[in-house]
Amino acid sequence: SQQGEEDPQALSIQEGENATMNCSYKTSINNLQWYRQNSGRGLVHLILIRSNEREKHSGRLRVTLDTSKKSSSLLITASRAADTASYFCATALISSGSARQLTFGSGTQLTVLP
Amino acid sequence: DGGITQSPKYLFRKEGQNVTLSCEQNLNHDAMYWYRQDPGQGLRLIYYSQIVNDFQKGDIAEGYSVSREKKESFPLTVTSAQKNPTAFYLCASGTGSGELFFGEGSRLTVL
Repeated sequence: SQQGEEDPQALSIQEGENATMNCSYKTSINNLQWYRQNSGRGLVHLILIRSNEREKHSGRLRVTLDTSKKSSSLLITASRAADTASYFCATALISSGSARQLTFGSGTQLTVLP
Repeated sequence: DGGITQSPKYLFRKEGQNVTLSCEQNLNHDAMYWYRQDPGQGLRLIYYSQIVNDFQKGDIAEGYSVSREKKESFPLTVTSAQKNPTAFYLCASGTGSGELFFGEGSRLTVL
């Protein structure tokens, strides 16, 4: 089963509004990452938050992490039509290996209407 | 430019044929990964490699094979044993921090 699950599955908002997506996971993690995927393209890394961090910002993106609830949220402020994409959370499990495997959720499809 | 190059972008396969998807990176990353994505779904790990000449099975390795003879290259072969190969295939490479860099994907369709 998926380690991370995004909610909602689909979100439609007007340009200029804020978009919030949530991610829940099941086991202890080393870090949690958010990626964006435009239709038919590869994924692009947006932001990484470590298990000992609670909040992180990058431009119009704000990510929070609550390890007690095993959940994270991605907030995109002042959305633009170009933000239309699928957004995935990915969790890196605590591992002794040098290459941490990421487990991806099923994504939130965000549509920003002009 | 540094990055990951996947080819071909589109590939059609007849039943019973093996096909190989190419993945090349010039980011000097040790780790490389292959994921499969089905419509409206997340990514599922097929194979990954942490170092040259070594690779491990992911969650859905059956019907696939890989090699890692060079640091820059991690080709994926979809064999005739893979019963439902139509999908979008994504290659990625990684840094020690866990962040992944993805190629643009290869879309495989079985005719």
